[in-house]
Amino acid sequence: EAQVTQNPRYLITVTGKKLTVTCSQNMNHEYMSWYRQDPGLGLRQIYYSMNVEVTDKGDVPEGYKVSRKEKRNFPLILESPSPNQTSLYFCASSLRGGRGYTFGSGTRLTVV
Amino acid sequence: DAKTTQPPSMDCAEGRAANLPCNHSTISGNEYVYWYRQIHSQGPQYIIHGLKNNETNEMASLIITEDRKSSTLILPHATLRDTAVYYCIVRLLLSGSARQLTFGSGTQLTVLP
Repeated sequence: EAQVTQNPRYLITVTGKKLTVTCSQNMNHEYMSWYRQDPGLGLRQIYYSMNVEVTDKGDVPEGYKVSRKEKRNFPLILESPSPNQTSLYFCASSLRGGRGYTFGSGTRLTVV
Repeated sequence: DAKTTQPPSMDCAEGRAANLPCNHSTISGNEYVYWYRQIHSQGPQYIIHGLKNNETNEMASLIITEDRKSSTLILPHATLRDTAVYYCIVRLLLSGSARQLTFGSGTQLTVLP
């Protein structure tokens, strides 16, 4: 089944403890993105990647890192999480010139 | 990307057609209209997109006015599972840029039994 898989689905962590949210897609898509969704603020892009080893900042990149060493994987790294990064995170992928993005099921992160 | 305006909420009776409007009066000639929906806290789901002709797929129909300043997403026979927030997005085709889809506030569609 064609899909974008994020792990974990839920995560509670403490301030300052490094964490990684994984994202993998099995559709050979070139484009991948990370979004966060917060009440009243909607979906905002954190980082995006147009291909392997090509990444760029979205609208809210502060406090996050990404890497794209392989086409299928696009992990989101929080080196020192803070409570304001408590949010619902979505990974998405698309073919270049494709009809639309396929989103993962989301990761609900709580930083205490 | 052009800005869109959608009503914040709509109700629809189960089995009836749901018609969701979207205004995009500043749309440029090469911008497409995309529709996504998000069922409570799940990842957004692509529905349909179009440039100027009406489009139909297995999920919905998209009607774009001749001047392209507005469009309507039609769910022909709404079911309870269609209850979701529907987002209308206007942007260039996804070639050449992975820049974000700008999700506005969308329309909360509630399908009533």
